[in-house]
Amino acid sequence: DADVTQTPRNRITKTGKRIMLECSQTKGHDRMYWYRQDPGLGLRLIYYSFDVKDINKGEISDGYSVSRQAQAKFSLSLESAIPNQTALYFCATSDPPGQKNTGELFFGEGSRLTVL
Amino acid sequence: SQQGEEDPQALSIQEGENATMNCSYKTSINNLQWYRQNSGRGLVHLILIRSNEREKHSGRLRVTLDTSKKSSSLLITASRAADTASYFCATGGGGFKTIFGAGTRLFVKA
Repeated sequence: DADVTQTPRNRITKTGKRIMLECSQTKGHDRMYWYRQDPGLGLRLIYYSFDVKDINKGEISDGYSVSRQAQAKFSLSLESAIPNQTALYFCATSDPPGQKNTGELFFGEGSRLTVL
Repeated sequence: SQQGEEDPQALSIQEGENATMNCSYKTSINNLQWYRQNSGRGLVHLILIRSNEREKHSGRLRVTLDTSKKSSSLLITASRAADTASYFCATGGGGFKTIFGAGTRLFVKA
């Protein structure tokens, strides 16, 4: 089984619909992240969470919200989807960077979202 | 914002050849990491090089770092068709501070 699991893997929806992407992990990491990937732009951070009670906005949080339901679960919501939110979304986890940890990110397999 | 910029954007080589990808970055770093992404899949961490290291090896991978030029290179020796993927450099120190470049798409022809 994958350490970081995302559902759904593919979703097609219409403008204005509410969408939730879910992420669960078995890595035991406190830190979880949501990224968006667009062709030619690399990955951009949407939100990140240090623990259940600590959620932070990333570079491109507008139009998105998140919920950290448990240490192992972090969901991303699009309250009213729009076409330019069509992208590949990744959940990731990590240990905090430090002397013993590199802050290496462990990614899920991605959720491809198409907004028509 | 992108800290690292990979060059070339795309690279096509024959199986058995070496593949070299370069990354330039703008600000001081503690370490630089390389990730690999198979088409449409999640990124996988390949290797990390710290700012006080100049070269690091892992299997067929060799990474160099030149902090004076703010650049790094990733060399894949004796490439295989299975190496076909996108390769990203990442700076920022890890975790939420990680900043990814736009990536180099490598295609290895069998």
